[in-house]
Amino acid sequence: EAQVTQNPRYLITVTGKKLTVTCSQNMNHEYMSWYRQDPGLGLRQIYYSMNVEVTDKGDVPEGYKVSRKEKRNFPLILESPSPNQTSLYFCASSLERNEKLFFGSGTQLSVL
Amino acid sequence: GQQVMQIPQYQHVQEGEDFTTYCNSSTTLSNIQWYKQRPGGHPVFLIQLVKSGEVKKQKRLTFQFGEAKKNSSLHITATQTTDVGTYFCAGPRDSNYQLIWGAGTKLIIKP
Repeated sequence: EAQVTQNPRYLITVTGKKLTVTCSQNMNHEYMSWYRQDPGLGLRQIYYSMNVEVTDKGDVPEGYKVSRKEKRNFPLILESPSPNQTSLYFCASSLERNEKLFFGSGTQLSVL
Repeated sequence: GQQVMQIPQYQHVQEGEDFTTYCNSSTTLSNIQWYKQRPGGHPVFLIQLVKSGEVKKQKRLTFQFGEAKKNSSLHITATQTTDVGTYFCAGPRDSNYQLIWGAGTKLIIKP
């Protein structure tokens, strides 16, 4: 089944403790992206990747890192999480930029 | 900066009533996409509109793209409980072609 797999689904952590949210797609998509969703603000892009080893900042990249070493994987790293990074995170992929996006199931992160 | 505004933020309807959400961009868009997010779920692609004045239908859903390609609407006829969720529009940003999203319209069916 074609899908974007995101883990974990829920995560509670404390300020400053490094964490990684994994994202993997099995559709051979070139393009991948991370979003955060906060009430009333819609989806805001954190980082995106047009292809392997090509990543770029979105609208709200501060406090986040990403890597794209393989085509299928696009992990999101929070080196030192802070409470303002408490949010719902989505990974998404598409065949190419601006094609329809396929989203993962989301990760609800709480930073205490 | 470039913005995509979506209204209303919420709409409460009785089952069977119609629902409409509007999306307005500060700049001309090359295309616009619509997504639906069910409560507790993830956004799911509905449609992409590309042409000026384009109208597309999916069963009870009608999507329009304005003549100036700066606005779009989604209209649902005779809402059902399965329509509950938040509807988002998104269009490519001029500077880097990344999608910029409206804040969404939440459709709530009154009990």
